Amino acid sequence: GAGVSQSPSNKVTEKGKDVELRCDPISGHTALYWYRQSLGQGLEFLIYFQGNSAPDKSGLPSDRFSAERTGGSVSTLTIQRTQQEDSAVYLCASSLRFSGGMDTQYFGPGTRLTVL
Amino acid sequence: DAKTTQPNSMESNEEEPVHLPCNHSTISGTDYIHWYRQLPSQGPEYVIHGLTSNVNNRMASLAIAEDRKSSTLILHRATLRDAAVYYCILKGGGSSNTGKLIFGQGTTLQVKP
Repeated sequence: GAGVSQSPSNKVTEKGKDVELRCDPISGHTALYWYRQSLGQGLEFLIYFQGNSAPDKSGLPSDRFSAERTGGSVSTLTIQRTQQEDSAVYLCASSLRFSGGMDTQYFGPGTRLTVL
Repeated sequence: DAKTTQPNSMESNEEEPVHLPCNHSTISGTDYIHWYRQLPSQGPEYVIHGLTSNVNNRMASLAIAEDRKSSTLILHRATLRDAAVYYCILKGGGSSNTGKLIFGQGTTLQVKP
């Protein structure tokens, strides 16, 4: 079946511009996560959505970052006034449900963002 | 979530077994042990998880110490495709569980032909 898809696969933007990154989770998955991976750095959590509950935004690095999930499916991560330190691979993951410690996440291929 | 400690890198020969260790001395009774791996230029991929008992699936085996303070991911016959960064992650099953995965630096596995 179809996995998690993300678009675009690559995005180059100029400093100060806004960007939107899209994630299509696996159909039927109620939990959706955003992570980012900077060059030479590990993966860091950004935000997650679970059903109709309020999202956990504890990982967002600044108020320039925001995310939405419409209709419990597609999610968009928006970065306003991009900075060079925002350059990274942004990864989306989904899981069938938030089932505590057994939750298994399925990752998309990522969007590589380069801020010039 | 409790912290895990893994070696930075390991090497293996193709078609030989690989044992990837992970220490998690501060694990709580409700923490699950998860392993993910990340192949070059790809997103992470789930490998296996367990709580107390050893686990086997088509990809690997997970051996969990009796005191649960350490675990070992076992790849029975390494292939070149298994070259990746392997992450050992604890995921709480109790009220502290927040859903997110906390990735460390992982172990970079090199497989030699």
